[in-house]
Amino acid sequence: GQNIDQPTEMTATEGAIVQINCTYQTSGFNGLFWYQQHAGEAPTFLSYNVLDGLEEKGRFSSFLSRSKGYSYLLLKELQMKDSASYLCAAWRLDSNYQLIWGAGTKLIIKP
Amino acid sequence: DAGITQSPRYKITETGRQVTLMCHQTWSHSYMFWYRQDLGHGLRLIYYSAAADITDKGEVPDGYVVSRSKTENFPLTLESATRSQTSVYFCASSESISDSGNTIYFGEGSWLTVV
Repeated sequence: GQNIDQPTEMTATEGAIVQINCTYQTSGFNGLFWYQQHAGEAPTFLSYNVLDGLEEKGRFSSFLSRSKGYSYLLLKELQMKDSASYLCAAWRLDSNYQLIWGAGTKLIIKP
Repeated sequence: DAGITQSPRYKITETGRQVTLMCHQTWSHSYMFWYRQDLGHGLRLIYYSAAADITDKGEVPDGYVVSRSKTENFPLTLESATRSQTSVYFCASSESISDSGNTIYFGEGSWLTVV
């Protein structure tokens, strides 16, 4: 079946580091996205991984292990504005339109 | 650069009424999508379109109708609204999906309440 799992909610402290995990099961796999969504707003693109390994973009990094069906988003030097939901999504290889979305991880940053 | 815009942003309607949510993009993206987002669920695809006059069902199409007579517009119609269709609706677009790394861009969302 098709499934993406991520924790429902996480809490972290301003200035710290947090890792948000995502595990996926898809019938075929063709890359994984991370999106950020602030409350009441649209999702915005953060990263895309198709090969194993770590991709770094400033304070945000994303990791993929295709053999384990696992990804994580690493946020460093957390700021209050990072309080948002983080959505993980994977392409299904057997479909040319379907992104399978996780329900999102709500990240709460405390001072 | 207007990007992708949706209207109305907020709508309250009664059960049984027809409602149309509009979506307009200025990038000439080939692909357009309609998603709904409900608490506890991920984004769920309602319909998508690969080009003008080409549409196809997604995961949850029942009760919805789409059309795409022009590349830039992709309206979503609820033919007879039901309370279960109370949700946030996001329109999205993408230049291509043959290269699966192509980013999907989202509109601001339309909050629909059916009473």
